[in-house]
Amino acid sequence: EVQLVESGGGLVQPGRSLRLSCVTSGFTFDDHGMHWVRQSPRKGLEWVSGINWNSESIAYADSVKGRFTISRDNAKNLLYLQMNSLRLEDTALYYCVKDKDAWLTGGFDYWGQGTLVSISS
Amino acid sequence: QSALTQPASVSGSPGQSITISCTGTSSDIGGFDHVSWYQQHLGRAPKFIIYDVTNRPAGVSNRFSGSKSGSTASLTISGLQTGDEAVYYCSSYSSTSALYVFGTGTQVTVL
Repeated sequence: EVQLVESGGGLVQPGRSLRLSCVTSGFTFDDHGMHWVRQSPRKGLEWVSGINWNSESIAYADSVKGRFTISRDNAKNLLYLQMNSLRLEDTALYYCVKDKDAWLTGGFDYWGQGTLVSISS
Repeated sequence: QSALTQPASVSGSPGQSITISCTGTSSDIGGFDHVSWYQQHLGRAPKFIIYDVTNRPAGVSNRFSGSKSGSTASLTISGLQTGDEAVYYCSSYSSTSALYVFGTGTQVTVL
């Protein structure tokens, strides 16, 4: 059974940093691309970042480019999202999402339950 | 990056068929066949129900079907059931600044 479990969310002030982690199991991690997708009442579902199976292809939404960094550890089956210079508009539920394929074109076939990030002064 | 446009709500009676549209541009839906659909029940994570415009993942009911014409994709749910009440989102690979763009979401109500 595929499992994706996020952690690292919380309440922080604008300008601060958070690091999200995603523990994965139930599939061959290094056979799949991975993504972070966020959801908020204001903006709905928003793709944030993706990383292919061997980390050679990485992409970010314009809204987070230069502030967020996605990475993965294939030896530990872990996905990360380092979030710096956080803004009020980054407030959302952040999902760790598995790509159906090794590259970033397969679609989002499994989702974690999400970790809540709240930015407030 | 602009969201794909979906109707806010669609309703139907049990057993009927409904269709949800998802309108984009030549930079997303019109330019690629990587269109997918997701079902989200209240308080739950989205579930993958269609990929590459028309394909169903293993275990997804054949009552769900997808299609595309130009820059508009569609999801049809046939034989509507009460368990189909949920919000449905489309998504497309994109050649713009974001690798993927999502739709605005459609609330499906079974009358």
